Amino acid sequence: GESVGLHLPTLSVQEGDNSIINCAYSNSASDYFIWYKQESGKGPQFIIDIRSNMDKRQGQRVTVLLNKTVKHLSLQIAATQPGDSAVYFCAEGGSQGNLIFGKGTKLSVKP
Amino acid sequence: DAGITQSPRHKVTETGTPVTLRCHQTENHRYMYWYRQDPGHGLRLIHYSYGVKDTDKGEVSDGYSVSRSKTEDFLLTLESATSSQTSVYFCAISESAGLPIQFFGPGTRLTVL
Repeated sequence: GESVGLHLPTLSVQEGDNSIINCAYSNSASDYFIWYKQESGKGPQFIIDIRSNMDKRQGQRVTVLLNKTVKHLSLQIAATQPGDSAVYFCAEGGSQGNLIFGKGTKLSVKP
Repeated sequence: DAGITQSPRHKVTETGTPVTLRCHQTENHRYMYWYRQDPGHGLRLIHYSYGVKDTDKGEVSDGYSVSRSKTEDFLLTLESATSSQTSVYFCAISESAGLPIQFFGPGTRLTVL
């Protein structure tokens, strides 16, 4: 299977609990942030994005929070399900379109 | 992965041989990217394209070349494969620089022996 999960921080949660995955970004000039989900053997999948002029954005079962003061991004997953098990990583981008990706956090959901 | 295909999906080759990976999109997006993904490094940009025949280097471009003769196709070539190029390669596309959400293909697992 996919070896991308090796040596990653791991978050283990019980099914039905809420999950919070954190990300520290590096460039204070970044104006766009994206969360991706990557399941074993698959390509990264877009989850949700947020612009730097916002501090919160909600999607279906997911919420992203942005704290520009401390350059911190978090992804909250409500009522975590076994299908949420994956590696999650954030990406930051600027006006030129290129993204810089974090190394990711492995989410493990216990039934 | 809708609208983005990569071929081959798996390849085993020997050191010193040339290898070409293909990315094909049906979304008519302007921007296309090639990344490699390795444990402990995350996704690293190899090359990208901002239009037909317009390409530029990324973070880890040494040993790789690209070509884009049509909007829908972006080729990545390893001129002479080395064991350090064993990796999973992902293609991504995005619509514009101002909206940099990138959508990824399914990946190609390349093993160089």
